[in-house]
This record gives sequence, structure tokens and C-alpha cells, in this order.
Amino acid sequence: DVKVTQSSRYLVKRTGEKVFLECVQDMDHENMFWYRQDPGLGLRLIYFSYDVKMKEKGDIPEGYSVSREKKERFSLILESASTNQTSMYLCASSLTTSGVPFLVWEQYFGPGTRLTVT
Amino acid sequence: AQSVTQLDSHVSVSEGTPVLLRCNYSSSYSPSLFWYVQHPNKGLQLLLKYTSAATLVKGINGFEAEFKKSETSFHLTKPSAHMSDAAEYFCVVSDGRGAQKLVFGQGTRLTINP
Repeated sequence: DVKVTQSSRYLVKRTGEKVFLECVQDMDHENMFWYRQDPGLGLRLIYFSYDVKMKEKGDIPEGYSVSREKKERFSLILESASTNQTSMYLCASSLTTSGVPFLVWEQYFGPGTRLTVT
Repeated sequence: AQSVTQLDSHVSVSEGTPVLLRCNYSSSYSPSLFWYVQHPNKGLQLLLKYTSAATLVKGINGFEAEFKKSETSFHLTKPSAHMSDAAEYFCVVSDGRGAQKLVFGQGTRLTINP
């Protein structure tokens, strides 16, 4: 079974703090994603990475950065946390199959980190 | 850009009755489509996926969905609801032809009445 783990289930931080959220997957997936989930808004993509040291902005990258130094690990960084970043953060990973360009693989999700910024 | 609309934010059914969760999509290409489920305080779990093979897709826990290109729909159904089906359900479309990014609907909360 694919396993995606996130460093914390619950996190409370103060405004202005630098926050690190860690995600690790154990299935050698090329792609990794960070989403935030807010009631009534579904999941919104923050950043994703399709290879080590590669990253692309998603739909809501402002106020966030990411790091992918190893294939299995993808970190989300809040440089200066603000109250409007209080949310559930979900990490996911997926495969890419070379030679089959239009095959879209499902994403596997971690349990989420509920971040509260006070 | 690709998009997905879940037509009901909340659906309530009685145990043992059929479930219908509605989803319409917009895509410039032949899309890949997914349904995910999220139980309270849990991560998202894949229910089923459509990737241009059979238009009727069977998933886990008795759920199935039918891809209808003419109606741009991908509705999720189950013949008989169980209490354990109470959860939030997300319809998801691939963001472009072969793109590994996914676009999520806003979710439908399913409540099961005893």
C-alpha cells in the first residue's frame, strides 16, 4: 500500500512565525502536491513538484514556498504565518508513466495537518 | 481550464435507499475523472476513476459512476446506502490532457438517516 505521511496532525502557531509542514511518501512517486482544504471550497492546489528540485505554482501560491531535496520528501513553508492561513493542509503523491503521455494517475493523500494561526 | 461542478452541497438519504451524487465537468480534452471520499477526520480515499476505458466504472464499497460525454456528467451512485457511507465526496477532473494536476469540486456532504 502507498503510504503518505505528514509530520503533524495538529499544529498551532503564532502570527509571523515561520512554519514547516513535512510530507513523506514511500512509493517512489515522481509527483507530489500540497493542497489546502477549506469548508465549501474543496481542495485548492498550492504547489506541486514533478521531480526533485522542481516545483510549479498551483492556484494559490501566495504566502507559501516549497522544497523538494529528495524524491520522497516535499516540504511546505509558510514564511510568515498569518491568520488567513489557518486551514487543513493535505499532501498527495502520484506516479508518472513515461511513454504513456495521456495516462493520469490517481493521487494518494496523507491524513492532513490542521494548522491554526493565532 | 478544466473545471468540475458538484450540483449538491449536501445530500441526505435514508439507510437502504439509493444514493445519487451529481457531478458535471468541463474539459477541452477527453478527461480523466475521479471520485474521492473523505470520512470525518480522515484523509481522502479514491473511490473510483475513469480513464477512457468502460464508461460505467465500478469502485469500492458498492459505488459506481457513469461517464456521459454528451451530458458532460460523471454522477456517483450506490443502490443501497449504509450508515458508514456518511462522508464528504469530491468529484475530480484532470487539469488538461495527460496533466497530473487534478481539479477538485467543492464537495458533497452525504448524510445517512437511520
